[in-house]
Formats: sequence, C-alpha cells, structure tokens
Amino acid sequence: DAKTTQPTSMDCAEGRAANLPCNHSTISGNEYVYWYRQIHSQGPQYIIHGLKNNETNEMASLIITEDRKSSTLILPHATLRDTAVYYCIVISMNYGGSQGNLIFGKGTKLSVKP
Amino acid sequence: DTGVSQNPRHKITKRGQNVTFRCDPISEHNRLYWYRQTLGQGPEFLTYFQNEAQLEKSRLLSDRFSAERPKGSFSTLEIQRTEQGDSAMYLCASSLKVSTEAFFGQGTRLTVV
Repeated sequence: DAKTTQPTSMDCAEGRAANLPCNHSTISGNEYVYWYRQIHSQGPQYIIHGLKNNETNEMASLIITEDRKSSTLILPHATLRDTAVYYCIVISMNYGGSQGNLIFGKGTKLSVKP
Repeated sequence: DTGVSQNPRHKITKRGQNVTFRCDPISEHNRLYWYRQTLGQGPEFLTYFQNEAQLEKSRLLSDRFSAERPKGSFSTLEIQRTEQGDSAMYLCASSLKVSTEAFFGQGTRLTVV
C-alpha cells in the first residue's frame, strides 16, 4: 500500500471549515483514499472514502486531485466535537495479500477552538 | 446493529501472566481485524480473519500472541507470558467485505505491571 504524508497538527476555529491535507504521491490506480478519525480514548471512526471523484456525505467532503497524488478532507463547519486525530489511509482493493487492511500513520491532530 | 463490542475494557495484569481479550463483531461482517495502539501512535495492524480463516499476521504478532475466530463469529486474542511492552490499547474492527468501511470497537486497554 502507498504511504501517506499528513501535517502533525492543525488548529481550526469553531464554525469554520477545517481543511486537512494528505499527500499520497505513490498511489496506484486500484488504491482508494480512506479517512478515519479517532477521538480521544475511542476507537477510530470511518469518515469517507473515494477513488477518483470528489465525494460528500453527512460528515465531510473529500477532494481528490486529478492526478490522485493528494487529497483534502473538508469538515464544512467544525465543532468542538470534531477535535480528534484524522488519519488518511490508502488501501489496495486487489484480491489477496493485504488488500483492505488499514495501515495507519500518525495522522493529523485537529484542535477545534472556540 | 449494536456495533463492535470488546471485553474487557480494561485489564491490569502482572508480568508473566496470560490474558485473553474478546471481540464481538457486527453480525454478518465477514472480516475481523485486530490492531494494537500505543500512546501517541496510530493503530498498528496485527492480524485479520475472513470468516474463520486467519489470512494474515503482522510481524508484530510474536509467538506469544494467538488469535482465533471459531465459527467465524466472535474472536479472541490471547497474549501469553505478558511483558511490560505489551501494554497498549488493543482494538478490534469488523467489515462486511474488503471494499466497505471498517467499524471499530472501543478497545481493551492492557496494562502490564
């Protein structure tokens, strides 16, 4: 699976959009970009995933660049409860091997401030 | 759907003792994963099951660790002869298939004294 690079930490004002970047320059054609977050002392929580197109759900939007070498997770109106570590993960969907296993990095610690 | 359940939530044990953790995945989820997380680090993959078959084990999973998933339902993770370095949060996750999101439990926090 391709590796990802994320900033160690970010701050965001409550009510503003939080834009979390992720670089995955070695991503291959069959690899998806997944985002999870982990609130303190809880298990990771799925947010969103995509392959090529931008995606949106009730939690967030995922913007993937045309060359797929980077992506941005957008929380449109951050709240204090969005304070967490956010993980960007690239996963292969090929059969066999480690396909589907989540390989976490250190993620980005997002602090939403009042 | 009651989510992924892990028991116990906390476990304190003396070095050298054996411990066993249990994970009950979301019903009908075929894939089940075990992860370990130490302070300040992201979760590290240990092993995963497709139904009852253990398909992959990380090099982190030493011979003191063993995981089972009898009948493809709940899973257990046993650590024999615990060491202080085994102190960590042990997370379980399940998913319906490879292309769907994984749901994590709250974890079992192990402290080896």
